[in-house]
Amino acid sequence: DVKVTQSSRYLVKRTGEKVFLECVQDMDHENMFWYRQDPGLGLRLIYFSYDVKMKEKGDIPEGYSVSREKKERFSLILESASTNQTSMYLCASSLAGYGAFFGQGTRLTVV
Amino acid sequence: GEDVEQSLFLSVREGDSSVINCTYTDSSSTYLYWYKQEPGAGLQLLTYIFSNMDMKQDQRLTVLLNKKDKHLSLRIADTQTGDSAIYFCAESERGSTLGRLYFGRGTQLTVWP
Repeated sequence: DVKVTQSSRYLVKRTGEKVFLECVQDMDHENMFWYRQDPGLGLRLIYFSYDVKMKEKGDIPEGYSVSREKKERFSLILESASTNQTSMYLCASSLAGYGAFFGQGTRLTVV
Repeated sequence: GEDVEQSLFLSVREGDSSVINCTYTDSSSTYLYWYKQEPGAGLQLLTYIFSNMDMKQDQRLTVLLNKKDKHLSLRIADTQTGDSAIYFCAESERGSTLGRLYFGRGTQLTVWP
């Protein structure tokens, strides 16, 4: 079974802090994704990566950056956390055409 | 980007069938997917259908695809309270090898005992 693991289930951070969300997959997938999920808005793509050190902006990249130094790990960085970044963050990985497999999610609260 | 539409809510009684509907815009999508999300959890891939198929059955799940109308449905037979969750329809990006998916907003299925 594909396993996508996010480093934290719940996180509380202060406004202005730099926040790192980590994601690791164990199936050698080329593609990795970060989404955020908010009530009524569904899933919105923040960034994705199709290879090591490669990244592409999704639909809402502002206020975020990413890092992919190794194939299995994709990190989402909030440079200076703000309260409007309070959300559920979902990481996923995929082989093209075979659907995406998701981690359990990180619920981030920024106070 | 592609547009995927779903109704937001569906309520059914335990033992009845549930039908969740979805429309999509990209007629060249290769695969279409259904995901399930239980409270506080990530998304679980339930099933998928290749675009040259009309129907796919997997135990209690039946997926119907009408390419002409760009309509996808998920039927759950003998719905149980454990089926209560949010169900997302997704389509793959046109001609993409990147595996990017476009999701609907999700349908909240509530099953009453």
